[in-house]
Amino acid sequence: DGGITQSPKYLFRKEGQNVTLSCEQNLNHDAMYWYRQDPGQGLRLIYYSQIVNDFQKGDIAEGYSVSREKKESFPLTVTSAQKNPTAFYLCASSMDNLYEQYFGPGTRLTVT
Amino acid sequence: KNEVEQSPQNLTAQEGEFITINCSYSVGISALHWLQQHPGGGIVSLFMLSSGKKKHGRLIATINIQEKHSSLHITASHPRDSAVYICAYGSYNTDKLIFGTGTRLQVFP
Repeated sequence: DGGITQSPKYLFRKEGQNVTLSCEQNLNHDAMYWYRQDPGQGLRLIYYSQIVNDFQKGDIAEGYSVSREKKESFPLTVTSAQKNPTAFYLCASSMDNLYEQYFGPGTRLTVT
Repeated sequence: KNEVEQSPQNLTAQEGEFITINCSYSVGISALHWLQQHPGGGIVSLFMLSSGKKKHGRLIATINIQEKHSSLHITASHPRDSAVYICAYGSYNTDKLIFGTGTRLQVFP
């Protein structure tokens, strides 16, 4: 089955620790995206990548980092520099930026 | 001010009712997306449209490009339709989607 997976579903970390969220797709999509969702707000774009070995900052990239070494994988690292990391993180992929996006199930990160 | 305005923010309905959710935007767009987010958090793309109307089962999406407005209709609503419905648009001069804050729908039996 083709799809996009994120792991883990729930993640708990202590303040000051970096944490990496996994995102894998087997849809052969070129573009991948990371979003953050907070209560009462629309999805906000953190980083996106339109091709392997290239990525761009979104609207709220500060405190986050990504890599795109393989077409299938786009991991997101939440660093200790991110002031309010507790949120729901969604990964998505699409053929390119003009096509519909397919979303993963999300990772709920709690930092205490 | 959000670039995408959805109304209403919250909606409750009895099973069987006809539902309409509205979305307005202010710029020229390449496509309008309707997405569904269930309580577990996963998001599913329902429609992507740039003109006219699309139908899938009990769901209908329409768009009026001149008025910069789209609607999502659900006919014969069912409790399993309870979810947050999100409108988003893409445009030719940006690589990203712009999202509304969503409409929370609850359908009661």
